[in-house]
Amino acid sequence: GAVVSQHPSWVICKSGTSVKIECRSLDFQATTMFWYRQFPKQSLMLMATSNEGSKATYEQGVEKDKFLINHASLTLSTLTVTSAHPEDSSFYICSARDIDPGNTIYFGEGSWLTVV
Amino acid sequence: GDSVTQMEGPVTLSEEACLTINCTYTATGYPSLFWYVQYPGEGLQLLLKATKADDKGSNKGFEATYRKETTSFHLEKGSVQVSDSAVYFCALSDRGGADGLTFGKGTHLIIQP
Repeated sequence: GAVVSQHPSWVICKSGTSVKIECRSLDFQATTMFWYRQFPKQSLMLMATSNEGSKATYEQGVEKDKFLINHASLTLSTLTVTSAHPEDSSFYICSARDIDPGNTIYFGEGSWLTVV
Repeated sequence: GDSVTQMEGPVTLSEEACLTINCTYTATGYPSLFWYVQYPGEGLQLLLKATKADDKGSNKGFEATYRKETTSFHLEKGSVQVSDSAVYFCALSDRGGADGLTFGKGTHLIIQP
């Protein structure tokens, strides 16, 4: 079946540095991908909708300059957490929409980010 | 805004026990409802869905019925197996799942042999 891959699965970075997380659709083209984050014991919260070839649409309260999203190809979206701080430590999950057939959504395995 | 509330975990059951994981929602429109499952080390997978009132979604022995009058979508299985151990997420979408989803917090299910 369709697969969405995220990389890295785990990342530790120092405060003030930037970290990039990749989301790839492995066997289908995804014009739309979604980025979520999940804090411990909380829901997955939609951060932004990533549209191939155009700017991402951010949810209210999500800083677009802090969470840079690039969707330069039909199989790859990247989330860059800029100037990371410990409060950005979270579980980040992407999903991709396969329009053929039926707008099925496939999720990646998620990426754990720890900022120290 | 939209929200989903599901029972807190972990839920620990013995093999062959009956399972119910409660899920209720609030939504401004007429949402589609979903259950996703996440097995250890894997991404979320769609388990079942329902798009209108009284619809019953089913898959792998799991069932959930869209109850508009009680705004609920409880997940049930008559006889669980060890392999059902996972985290289960209830979710809704105002656009049939084609858009971003609103999730519950997830319920960790542990099935003991």
